[in-house]
Order: sequence, then structure tokens, then C-alpha cells
Amino acid sequence: KNEVEQSPQNLTAQEGEFITINCSYSVGISALHWLQQHPGGGIVSLFMLSSGKKKHGRLIATINIQEKHSSLHITASHPRDSAVYICAVRSGGTDKLIFGTGTRLQVFP
Amino acid sequence: EPEVTQTPSHQVTQMGQEVILRCVPISNHLYFYWYRQILGQKVEFLVSFYNNEISEKSEIFDDQFSVERPDGSNFTLKIRSTKLEDSAMYFCASSERNYGYTFGSGTRLTVV
Repeated sequence: KNEVEQSPQNLTAQEGEFITINCSYSVGISALHWLQQHPGGGIVSLFMLSSGKKKHGRLIATINIQEKHSSLHITASHPRDSAVYICAVRSGGTDKLIFGTGTRLQVFP
Repeated sequence: EPEVTQTPSHQVTQMGQEVILRCVPISNHLYFYWYRQILGQKVEFLVSFYNNEISEKSEIFDDQFSVERPDGSNFTLKIRSTKLEDSAMYFCASSERNYGYTFGSGTRLTVV
């Protein structure tokens, strides 16, 4: 069983739509990361969360520690948001990240 | 904005050959990592490095793999005798302990 599960695996949207990507995890964590991977392969860190909510531009990330669940929201989606969004957790007591399988988002004009 | 730099961006090597993947982490970061992503699969942890020694490694990181920080700025991953299944994208990352990671753009290793 994967320690980090994401849903949906694939997501298509029309430009302007509100997007939600979900992440559930089964281990104790010290932090949760949302990452973006573009077709060229590079990984960009979007958020690191240990509680509550963070916002950066059109992106919002929330985490519920009790429910072991996090969501990434994109408001007013745009074709340039098309990428793979990855949830990764840092398990308590270690430095390594455990990655989810990613959500492939395509936003059409 | 500070970057983690990886070279080369793409390397093709013959099975059984040694390869060295190079990374220049962000200068004031203390923690360094290698991850890999086999095509179509999720990113997997290989090794973490702190205070000039390995702090954690995965089952993947067997005797064929080694890491080094030879000169205080570079951080290298060596694969001694490459196998076909080592073909993957290899990512270097660095962090300050309680802050987010910064990833390099990756080295795509193809073993033929």
C-alpha cells in the first residue's frame, strides 16, 4: 500500500475553472510538500505545510493533520498551470521525502 | 533566486560503465539528497547527506552507489557499474532543515 495517495490521477479543466487535488497519507509526518513537475522533468517546490493553510498567488494549500489529508487548490486555472502536481511527506524523524504518484493536470483554453 | 545546478542534463552510458552525476547545492544549505524517478513512476528517495556523511539511505542505494562532497560545493552521485534498470531521471536537492527543498532540474541517465 502506498504511504501517500493522490487523487485524481488525471485531471482536465477548462481555463478559469477551480481545481482541487487531494492527498492522503498513512504515516506520521513532520511536514507535507506540494511540488510541480513540468514536462521537461524539473521539480519546483510550491508549498511546505505542517498545519493550516498557505496561499501563494492563485495557489492555496491546506492540511488537516488529524485526518491525514491535504488539498491543493488552483483558482482561475490557466493553460500554463498544466503540469504534474506531486504531494510528498517528510516522515517524522527522517529527512527523506515520500512521494505520491502525482496528478497530471491539463488546462485547456 | 538561488538554484541547485545539475550536470550533465542527459547522459548515455553503456551497461557496466561507471557514471558520476554532479550537483552544486545552494551554498548555505546543510542537507543534500539524491532522488530518482524511473520513467512513468513516482520519485524515490536514494540518499541523504549531512555533515559530510550519509544520514539515511534507501534499499535502492546499494554498494553500486556512492556519494561524495569532494570540495565543499559539489555533491556527486557515483554509480560504479551501471545496469539497464538504473536508467532514470536523477534529482539532486538541498535544504535547510526546517525549510523547503530546492530541487535541481535533473540528469536523465540512459543505460544502453
